Amino acid sequence: GESVGLHLPTLSVQEGDNSIINCAYSNSASDYFIWYKQESGKGPQFIIDIRSNMDKRQGQRVTVLLNKTVKHLSLQIAATQPGDSAVYFCAENSYYGQNFVFGPGTRLSVLP
Amino acid sequence: GAVVSQHPSWVICKSGTSVKIECRSLDFQATTMFWYRQFPKQSLMLMATSNEGSKATYEQGVEKDKFLINHASLTLSTLTVTSAHPEDSSFYICSARGGGRVLSYEQYFGPGTRLTVT
Repeated sequence: GESVGLHLPTLSVQEGDNSIINCAYSNSASDYFIWYKQESGKGPQFIIDIRSNMDKRQGQRVTVLLNKTVKHLSLQIAATQPGDSAVYFCAENSYYGQNFVFGPGTRLSVLP
Repeated sequence: GAVVSQHPSWVICKSGTSVKIECRSLDFQATTMFWYRQFPKQSLMLMATSNEGSKATYEQGVEKDKFLINHASLTLSTLTVTSAHPEDSSFYICSARGGGRVLSYEQYFGPGTRLTVT
């Protein structure tokens, strides 16, 4: 499948700052996207989702932006906290009811 | 929210033996379950998709005779790694999607099973 990488980019931010994690997807037919958070030794945890008919969606402290023109997705975390330290994956779904394709992930490290 | 469990959470086995991993949906009926494998510092890679009562669909490159998947009920799917070798050591994660809603993207993940083959 697509969007599988061998390297894990790392983003380091100061506690209290805002974080922006980016994801590029390759399938222009993808119409549903999810951001997951995965802590060490655990399964992925749902954060927020967005459908292709939207370009922005907000949750509690998180915002997802979708730019279909350049096939780019971002996750913004406001006032980053130590508990936000984890690996973040974007996932795309291009068929109704089929499986998700995961991006390579970004490790977020929150500095005290 | 929907809860998916996996058992065991970690297992160590000797090379050549078989290991069974269970995935259960605790509070919903899962018409479809997915099995993923994740190597250190890598993303999740889909291994197979299983629908209750039918044979699993394996992704390209995944040996169906080595990774046996059974989805005999709406709440349980099992993955059996047969004749395990050290290269099979990985983090195995299942996810489940509920039935009843025709237009459902929602997929709930289990906590994962760490397999170490010595």
